[in-house]
Amino acid sequence: GQSLEQPSEVTAVEGAIVQINCTYQTSGFYGLSWYQQHDGGAPTFLSYNALDGLEETGRFSSFLSRSDSYGYLLLQELQMKDSASYFCAGNAGKSTFGDGTTLTVKP
Amino acid sequence: DAGVIQSPRHEVTEMGQEVTLRCKPISGHNSLFWYRQTMMRGLELLIYFNNNVPIDDSGMPEDRFSAKMPNASFSTLKIQPSEPRDSAVYFCASIPLGTVNEKLFFGSGTQLSVL
Repeated sequence: GQSLEQPSEVTAVEGAIVQINCTYQTSGFYGLSWYQQHDGGAPTFLSYNALDGLEETGRFSSFLSRSDSYGYLLLQELQMKDSASYFCAGNAGKSTFGDGTTLTVKP
Repeated sequence: DAGVIQSPRHEVTEMGQEVTLRCKPISGHNSLFWYRQTMMRGLELLIYFNNNVPIDDSGMPEDRFSAKMPNASFSTLKIQPSEPRDSAVYFCASIPLGTVNEKLFFGSGTQLSVL
Protein backbone atom coordinates (compact mmCIF):
# COMPACT_ATOMS: atom_id res chain seq x y z
CA GLY A 1 0.00 0.00 0.00
CA GLN A 2 0.86 3.64 0.00
CA SER A 3 0.74 6.44 2.53
CA LEU A 4 1.82 10.04 2.12
CA GLU A 5 2.23 12.61 4.87
CA GLN A 6 2.03 16.37 4.49
CA PRO A 7 1.63 19.22 6.97
CA SER A 8 -2.02 20.13 7.37
CA GLU A 9 -1.58 23.91 7.21
CA VAL A 10 0.98 26.49 6.13
CA THR A 11 0.71 30.27 6.31
CA ALA A 12 2.93 32.78 4.51
CA VAL A 13 2.84 36.37 3.32
CA GLU A 14 2.59 37.69 -0.19
CA GLY A 15 5.90 37.69 -2.01
CA ALA A 16 7.44 35.08 0.26
CA ILE A 17 8.67 31.56 -0.50
CA VAL A 18 7.03 28.51 1.02
CA GLN A 19 7.96 24.83 0.97
CA ILE A 20 5.40 22.05 1.42
CA ASN A 21 6.94 18.71 2.33
CA CYS A 22 5.70 15.23 1.55
CA THR A 23 7.07 12.00 2.93
CA TYR A 24 5.83 8.71 1.60
CA GLN A 25 5.82 4.98 2.08
CA THR A 26 4.92 3.14 -1.06
CA SER A 27 5.72 0.10 -3.10
CA GLY A 28 6.12 0.01 -6.87
CA PHE A 29 6.70 3.73 -6.86
CA TYR A 30 6.99 5.55 -10.22
CA GLY A 31 7.11 9.16 -9.08
CA LEU A 32 5.50 11.99 -7.14
CA SER A 33 2.92 14.43 -8.47
CA TRP A 34 1.61 17.68 -7.01
CA TYR A 35 -1.88 19.13 -7.40
CA GLN A 36 -3.54 22.39 -6.42
CA GLN A 37 -7.17 22.63 -5.37
CA HIS A 38 -9.07 25.82 -4.69
CA ASP A 39 -12.17 25.76 -2.52
CA GLY A 40 -15.05 24.25 -4.45
CA GLY A 41 -12.84 23.34 -7.37
CA ALA A 42 -11.19 20.29 -8.83
CA PRO A 43 -7.57 19.27 -8.26
CA THR A 44 -5.35 20.57 -11.04
CA PHE A 45 -1.94 19.19 -11.89
CA LEU A 46 1.11 21.29 -10.99
CA SER A 47 4.24 19.19 -11.29
CA TYR A 48 5.68 15.69 -11.49
CA ASN A 49 8.99 14.14 -10.48
CA ALA A 50 9.95 10.75 -11.85
CA LEU A 51 13.64 11.21 -11.12
CA ASP A 52 15.52 12.62 -8.16
CA GLY A 53 16.13 16.33 -8.30
CA LEU A 54 14.36 19.57 -8.96
CA GLU A 55 11.69 20.28 -11.58
CA GLU A 56 10.93 23.94 -12.21
CA THR A 57 7.72 25.29 -13.71
CA GLY A 58 7.52 29.05 -13.41
CA ARG A 59 7.03 30.10 -9.79
CA PHE A 60 6.54 26.47 -8.72
CA SER A 61 9.26 23.86 -8.32
CA SER A 62 9.10 20.30 -7.07
CA PHE A 63 11.84 18.13 -5.66
CA LEU A 64 12.16 14.39 -5.13
CA SER A 65 14.63 12.24 -3.22
CA ARG A 66 13.82 8.56 -3.66
CA SER A 67 16.48 7.48 -1.17
CA ASP A 68 14.81 9.61 1.50
CA SER A 69 11.23 8.86 0.35
CA TYR A 70 10.73 12.59 0.43
CA GLY A 71 9.62 15.38 -1.83
CA TYR A 72 8.56 18.98 -1.61
CA LEU A 73 6.74 21.66 -3.52
CA LEU A 74 8.34 25.10 -3.51
CA LEU A 75 6.21 28.13 -4.26
CA GLN A 76 8.02 31.40 -4.90
CA GLU A 77 6.81 34.99 -5.10
CA LEU A 78 3.60 34.02 -3.36
CA GLN A 79 0.40 35.66 -4.54
CA MET A 80 -2.99 35.82 -2.85
CA LYS A 81 -4.39 33.51 -5.53
CA ASP A 82 -1.99 30.78 -4.37
CA SER A 83 -4.17 30.29 -1.28
CA ALA A 84 -5.44 26.77 -1.84
CA SER A 85 -4.91 23.18 -0.83
CA TYR A 86 -1.90 21.34 -2.21
CA PHE A 87 -1.71 17.58 -2.51
CA CYS A 88 1.17 15.25 -3.18
CA ALA A 89 0.27 12.01 -4.93
CA GLY A 90 2.32 8.85 -5.22
CA ASN A 91 2.12 7.09 -8.58
CA ALA A 92 2.33 3.31 -8.52
CA GLY A 93 -0.11 1.97 -11.09
CA LYS A 94 -2.67 4.26 -9.54
CA SER A 95 -2.36 7.57 -7.73
CA THR A 96 -2.69 7.78 -3.96
CA PHE A 97 -3.10 11.25 -2.51
CA GLY A 98 -1.83 12.75 0.71
CA ASP A 99 -4.32 14.51 2.96
CA GLY A 100 -3.39 17.90 1.58
CA THR A 101 -1.82 21.09 2.92
CA THR A 102 -3.92 24.22 3.20
CA LEU A 103 -1.84 27.23 2.24
CA THR A 104 -3.01 30.65 3.37
CA VAL A 105 -1.29 33.63 1.82
CA LYS A 106 -1.67 36.85 3.80
CA PRO A 107 -1.15 40.41 2.55
CA ASP B 1 -10.68 20.87 -26.00
CA ALA B 2 -13.41 19.93 -23.57
CA GLY B 3 -12.11 18.60 -20.30
CA VAL B 4 -13.55 15.77 -18.25
CA ILE B 5 -17.28 16.35 -17.97
CA GLN B 6 -19.26 15.24 -14.94
CA SER B 7 -22.95 15.44 -14.25
CA PRO B 8 -24.80 16.45 -12.26
CA ARG B 9 -22.78 19.17 -10.49
CA HIS B 10 -24.96 18.87 -7.42
CA GLU B 11 -27.23 16.09 -6.26
CA VAL B 12 -29.44 16.13 -3.21
CA THR B 13 -31.32 12.96 -2.43
CA GLU B 14 -32.92 11.13 0.43
CA MET B 15 -31.51 8.12 2.17
CA GLY B 16 -32.43 4.91 0.39
CA GLN B 17 -32.67 6.45 -3.06
CA GLU B 18 -30.55 5.39 -6.01
CA VAL B 19 -27.95 7.88 -7.20
CA THR B 20 -26.18 7.78 -10.56
CA LEU B 21 -23.17 9.95 -11.28
CA ARG B 22 -21.92 10.35 -14.83
CA CYS B 23 -18.57 11.05 -16.41
CA LYS B 24 -17.31 11.70 -19.91
CA PRO B 25 -13.50 11.46 -20.10
CA ILE B 26 -11.35 13.50 -22.42
CA SER B 27 -11.44 12.07 -25.93
CA GLY B 28 -8.50 9.75 -26.50
CA HIS B 29 -7.85 9.12 -22.83
CA ASN B 30 -7.94 5.41 -22.12
CA SER B 31 -7.90 5.32 -18.33
CA LEU B 32 -10.64 6.61 -16.07
CA PHE B 33 -10.64 7.01 -12.30
CA TRP B 34 -13.39 7.65 -9.77
CA TYR B 35 -12.33 9.45 -6.57
CA ARG B 36 -14.32 10.52 -3.52
CA GLN B 37 -13.33 13.49 -1.39
CA THR B 38 -14.42 14.15 2.19
CA MET B 39 -12.93 16.18 5.00
CA MET B 40 -12.39 13.07 7.09
CA ARG B 41 -10.90 10.74 4.49
CA GLY B 42 -9.42 13.09 1.89
CA LEU B 43 -9.22 11.99 -1.74
CA GLU B 44 -9.86 8.27 -2.01
CA LEU B 45 -9.61 6.22 -5.17
CA LEU B 46 -12.75 4.15 -5.57
CA ILE B 47 -12.16 2.36 -8.87
CA TYR B 48 -10.29 2.75 -12.13
CA PHE B 49 -10.67 1.45 -15.67
CA ASN B 50 -8.16 0.86 -18.43
CA ASN B 51 -9.64 0.58 -21.92
CA ASN B 52 -13.13 0.31 -20.38
CA VAL B 53 -12.13 -2.65 -18.19
CA PRO B 54 -12.25 -2.30 -14.39
CA ILE B 55 -8.71 -2.87 -13.10
CA ASP B 56 -8.91 -2.14 -9.40
CA ASP B 57 -12.11 -1.69 -7.42
CA SER B 58 -10.56 -2.27 -4.00
CA GLY B 59 -11.53 1.25 -2.95
CA MET B 60 -15.25 0.76 -3.51
CA PRO B 61 -16.61 0.98 0.02
CA GLU B 62 -19.29 -1.69 -0.19
CA ASP B 63 -21.69 -3.51 -2.44
CA ARG B 64 -23.98 -0.51 -2.58
CA PHE B 65 -21.46 1.07 -4.94
CA SER B 66 -21.04 -0.03 -8.53
CA ALA B 67 -19.32 1.47 -11.56
CA LYS B 68 -19.50 0.78 -15.25
CA MET B 69 -17.75 1.96 -18.37
CA PRO B 70 -19.77 0.71 -21.35
CA ASN B 71 -17.61 2.56 -23.86
CA ALA B 72 -14.57 4.80 -24.09
CA SER B 73 -16.56 8.00 -23.68
CA PHE B 74 -18.85 7.28 -20.75
CA SER B 75 -18.77 5.96 -17.21
CA THR B 76 -21.24 5.81 -14.36
CA LEU B 77 -20.93 5.43 -10.61
CA LYS B 78 -24.07 4.19 -8.95
CA ILE B 79 -24.99 4.11 -5.28
CA GLN B 80 -28.00 1.99 -4.35
CA PRO B 81 -29.31 2.50 -1.73
CA SER B 82 -27.68 5.76 -0.74
CA GLU B 83 -26.86 6.64 2.89
CA PRO B 84 -26.00 9.94 4.58
CA ARG B 85 -22.37 8.84 5.00
CA ASP B 86 -22.07 8.75 1.21
CA SER B 87 -22.27 12.54 1.17
CA ALA B 88 -19.07 13.75 -0.48
CA VAL B 89 -17.66 15.25 -3.65
CA TYR B 90 -17.14 12.60 -6.30
CA PHE B 91 -14.50 13.30 -8.92
CA CYS B 92 -13.85 11.57 -12.17
CA ALA B 93 -10.40 11.82 -13.77
CA SER B 94 -8.84 10.53 -16.96
CA ILE B 95 -5.38 10.12 -18.43
CA PRO B 96 -4.09 9.54 -21.94
CA LEU B 97 -2.51 6.43 -23.34
CA GLY B 98 1.16 5.97 -22.57
CA THR B 99 1.29 7.73 -19.23
CA VAL B 100 1.73 6.30 -15.75
CA ASN B 101 -1.03 8.50 -14.29
CA GLU B 102 1.41 11.19 -13.25
CA LYS B 103 -0.96 13.85 -14.56
CA LEU B 104 -4.62 13.23 -13.86
CA PHE B 105 -7.20 15.43 -15.54
CA PHE B 106 -10.09 15.94 -13.14
CA GLY B 107 -13.68 16.84 -13.84
CA SER B 108 -15.45 19.51 -11.81
CA GLY B 109 -16.94 16.91 -9.49
CA THR B 110 -20.41 16.06 -8.26
CA GLN B 111 -21.36 17.34 -4.82
CA LEU B 112 -23.61 14.64 -3.37
CA SER B 113 -25.75 15.26 -0.31
CA VAL B 114 -27.77 12.36 1.09
CA LEU B 115 -30.32 13.50 3.64
